[in-house]
Amino acid sequence: LILTQSPVSLPVTPGEPASISCRSSQSLMQNNGYNYLDWYVQKPGQSPHLLIFMGSTRASGVPDRFSGSGSGTDFTLRISRVEAEDVGVYYCVQALQTAFSFGGGTKVEIK
Amino acid sequence: EVQLVESGGGVVQPGRPLRLSCSASGFTFGDYPMSWVRQPPGKGLEWVGLVKSRRYGETTQYAASLRGTVTISRDDSNGIAYLQMHSVKTEDTGLYYCTRGLHYELYPGYYQLDSWGQGTEVIVS
Repeated sequence: LILTQSPVSLPVTPGEPASISCRSSQSLMQNNGYNYLDWYVQKPGQSPHLLIFMGSTRASGVPDRFSGSGSGTDFTLRISRVEAEDVGVYYCVQALQTAFSFGGGTKVEIK
Repeated sequence: EVQLVESGGGVVQPGRPLRLSCSASGFTFGDYPMSWVRQPPGKGLEWVGLVKSRRYGETTQYAASLRGTVTISRDDSNGIAYLQMHSVKTEDTGLYYCTRGLHYELYPGYYQLDSWGQGTEVIVS
């Protein structure tokens, strides 16, 4: 299973929206109807942390300017209004424990 | 507060074994699966594998590309998770993160990386 993120680099203007795509080579929809697709972010000099799980559920403490959508093989992470603190590398993750894997990452930076 | 502290990294020669440790505190260690993630210099994250809790038989799962080259284990009495690399290669160079995992019975097979350590650096040279 391969996760392909685009773009690789995303220069953004503060206050503007941003969008990251993640495409899977196989469907991530499970028999229970849930998509096992998560988003993690690694801010500069920090360890990664969870942002979105099950495709669209924000982790605890994540601002509501972040949203996740999609199903099956196509997923999107959106930031409604980018703030300077949002710079970092965003990873989509296939969260099935028997085949756990990371996408290549998207680096979000301020213009 | 959950704390994960990795150790055991350093400079190691190719072909040598290396064992990394992850000392955990702030939670009931034996109740949680533990996993390792690595990051080559300047590159993205790579899944290494996990060890489940005793309740789930302490079974292990590994990235397909690393199967047979590493072993993950745990010592619940001391709150430590281990990553044993049997014969390191230059491509094993990178930062190695220990993570606490979560899985939910409501979502069979789902695995989430709940907490991360700061990582320990391995240089194979």
